[in-house]
Amino acid sequence: EIVLTQSPGSLSLSPGERATLSCRASQSVNSAYLAWYQQKPGQAPRLLIYGASFRATGIPDRFRGSGSGPDFTLTISRVEPEDFAVYYCQQYASSPWTFGQGTKVEI
Amino acid sequence: QVQLQVSGPGLVKPSQTLSLTCTVSGGSISSGDSYWSWIRQTPGKGLEWIGYISYSGSTDYNPSLKSRVTMSVDTSKNQFSLKLTSVTAADTAVFYCARANSRKWLSMDVWGQGTTVTVSS
Repeated sequence: EIVLTQSPGSLSLSPGERATLSCRASQSVNSAYLAWYQQKPGQAPRLLIYGASFRATGIPDRFRGSGSGPDFTLTISRVEPEDFAVYYCQQYASSPWTFGQGTKVEI
Repeated sequence: QVQLQVSGPGLVKPSQTLSLTCTVSGGSISSGDSYWSWIRQTPGKGLEWIGYISYSGSTDYNPSLKSRVTMSVDTSKNQFSLKLTSVTAADTAVFYCARANSRKWLSMDVWGQGTTVTVSS
């Protein structure tokens, strides 16, 4: 099974700052099969990025995904108040699909 | 716009079977580009993919749960279901259903609201 390790575990930022979240896979992952999700308290995860770099429908362009092989990055160019949440990476390249443990972006 | 709604008991006794249903609205469960998934979330283990089923009934289960999981689809009701047998307290979680969309390379682009299932006597 592919293990995804996210860092940092939490990130304290002020609105307007840049957020850089990392996701490292235990083996190489085809970038087509890497996604990022945002989850707010009491809500289901929401798809932000698929195929490592493609924004899902309705996702603002301040969210950018990048990376390949084992290392992927989610960047929020300027954090807005509504962006404070937990972010998960997920691979669906091989079964079982797996998630990272999450990065909490907090004020 | 496709929406998913999870339903089922919120409390299950140890050793019994957990049964949940996800109802698809705003679209057809028979869409060939969709794989209907179950995911659970616990504070300790985070998000865990349980498996998926296609409209035709093909499945892929997480090996960690495979011996206890059965998924099924009912195209006439536009629903898919999860059964998890022999539950223990470790199966207490928030359960989500989601659509894995092959047009987005199987990323899960639609999620149900989640339901909390507690395993307790």
